[in-house]
Order: sequence, then C-alpha cells, then structure tokens
Amino acid sequence: DVKVTQSSRYLVKRTGEKVFLECVQDMDHENMFWYRQDPGLGLRLIYFSYDVKMKEKGDIPEGYSVSREKKERFSLILESASTNQTSMYLCASSLIVANTGELFFGEGSRLTVL
Amino acid sequence: QKEVEQNSGPLSVPEGAIASLNCTYSDRGSQSFFWYRQYSGKSPELIMSIYSNGDKEDGRFTAQLNKASQYVSLLIRDSQPSDSATYLCAVNNRGSTLGRLYFGRGTQLTVWP
Repeated sequence: DVKVTQSSRYLVKRTGEKVFLECVQDMDHENMFWYRQDPGLGLRLIYFSYDVKMKEKGDIPEGYSVSREKKERFSLILESASTNQTSMYLCASSLIVANTGELFFGEGSRLTVL
Repeated sequence: QKEVEQNSGPLSVPEGAIASLNCTYSDRGSQSFFWYRQYSGKSPELIMSIYSNGDKEDGRFTAQLNKASQYVSLLIRDSQPSDSATYLCAVNNRGSTLGRLYFGRGTQLTVWP
C-alpha cells in the first residue's frame, strides 16, 4: 500500500521559531510537493522537487525553504515562523511520468503559530 | 491570473439526485484533467482523470471535457450522503514541470438524506 507519511499531525509554535515539517514516501516517486491549504484559498503550492537536491519554487515560496537530501524525504522549513503561516500543510508525491495526475497525499500537518 | 476556477458552492442536493460540479481553466494547451475528492479533515484523493474531449464514466461518476470551451465537469449520479465532500478540479498545464498540477479552490458538496 502506497504511503506518504508526515512526521507531525499537529504542531503549535511561537512566532520566530524555526519549524521543520518532514515528509517521507515509500513509493520511489521522483516528484514531491509541499502545499498549504487554507479555507477559501484551496491548495497552494509552496515548493516542489523532481529529484534529489533539486527544488523549484511554487506559487507562494516566501518564508519557506525545502530540503531533499534523499529521494524518499522532502522537508519544509519555516526559518522564522509567523502567525500568517498558521495553516494545514500537505505533502504529496507522484511519479515523473507526465499526465498521470495522481498525487499521493500525506495526512497533513496542522501548524498553529502563536 | 487564476489558472483553474470552480463553481464556489456550497452545493447541496438530495440523496439520489445528480450533482454537477464545474470547472474552467485558462491555459488552452492544458492536456490532463483530474477530479480529487477531499473529505473533511482528510487529504485529497484522485477519483477521476480525463484526457480527451467527451465523457468518461466510472460507476456513478462521469467526467466531461470540452477543450474548445476550456471546461471540465464532474457528474455524480444517484448521489449518496457518503459523497458529501469537497471536490477539487486539477489541471496539468502545457509547459508545466512534469507532474505539477494546478488546483481550483474546490466545491463543497452536501448530499442530504
């Protein structure tokens, strides 16, 4: 059974803290993505990666960075958390074959920044 | 500029009715189109994909694509309360990095008994 695992389901952090969100997939997928989802705004892409050590900015990369040192792991980093980064964060992975469209999502990490 | 737009809803239909969800997209060269379902508190899951004009049926679900009108829809026949969820339209645009999808904001569907 395919699986994308996010390390934390719920986090509460304080403004200015550094936050790490970890994501691991066991499907040998090339592509990995980080989205955030907010009511009324839908899924917005923060960063994605199509290979180890490769990364590309999505639509809202400001305030975030990512790391992909191994194929199965993709980390999202908030260098200095702010209250407007309170959100649900979703990691996803997919095969690199075009047009498959099937993203496999993790269960999400709900981050609250106080 | 918005890439993918959906009727905002919420949409409410009685059990047994047909639910119709609509989506338009801006990139005329888009090639692949998808519908994801997201239950409250859960992650999205793929339920339908369509790549060519016309209809594609899978059980109670039918996806319809009209590239000339840049329009894709999802029909749910004999709607059930278990279909109550948010439905996300997603598009793989021409020229986008392989695997990147553009999502609409979703339409919340409620099926009442």
